[in-house]
Amino acid sequence: DADVTQTPRNRITKTGKRIMLECSQTKGHDRMYWYRQDPGLGLRLIYYSFDVKDINKGEISDGYSVSRQAQAKFSLSLESAIPNQTALYFCATSDEADPAANTGELFFGEGSRLTVL
Amino acid sequence: AQSVTQLGSHVSVSEGALVLLRCNYSSSVPPYLFWYVQYPNQGLQLLLKYTSAATLVKGINGFEAEFKKSETSFHLTKPSAHMSDAAEYFCAVTPYNTDKLIFGTGTRLQVFP
Repeated sequence: DADVTQTPRNRITKTGKRIMLECSQTKGHDRMYWYRQDPGLGLRLIYYSFDVKDINKGEISDGYSVSRQAQAKFSLSLESAIPNQTALYFCATSDEADPAANTGELFFGEGSRLTVL
Repeated sequence: AQSVTQLGSHVSVSEGALVLLRCNYSSSVPPYLFWYVQYPNQGLQLLLKYTSAATLVKGINGFEAEFKKSETSFHLTKPSAHMSDAAEYFCAVTPYNTDKLIFGTGTRLQVFP
């Protein structure tokens, strides 16, 4: 089984619908992240969480919200999906005890492909 | 703002040829630098990382990268390409004294027989 599991792997929805992407991990890491990948733009950070009580906006958080339900679970919601949110979404985790010495390796899920019509 | 620039969105090489993927960073203070690889229909995985130890970093699958402060570069190389190296490669940076990883736009490597 994968260490970082994303569900659903593929989803097609319509404009205005609410969508939730879920991520669970068995690595025991405190830090979790949501990125989106668009062709030619690389990966951009949406939200990140360094522990259950810590949620931070990334560079493109508008139109998204997150919930850290437990150390192992971090979900991403689109309250009212729009076509330009069509993208490949990745959840990732890392384990860094010392934030000032971040040599962190991120561990990625296999991605959730979202299409908004 | 700190960033990384990957020159060339697509690189094509023949099997057995040298692979060179370019990455430059913008920073007055040397950051931590990473190369990640994404195989088709998969998530990203770490190839190698530079964290201010040796400037020549060896990674998995025969890849290596050299940190050159004078050129603000961290190019990825492999002496002899294999068909299985076909993937998208991302350079990434963690600016000094921050926690966030910033990715480049990626370079897709094609390997021809």
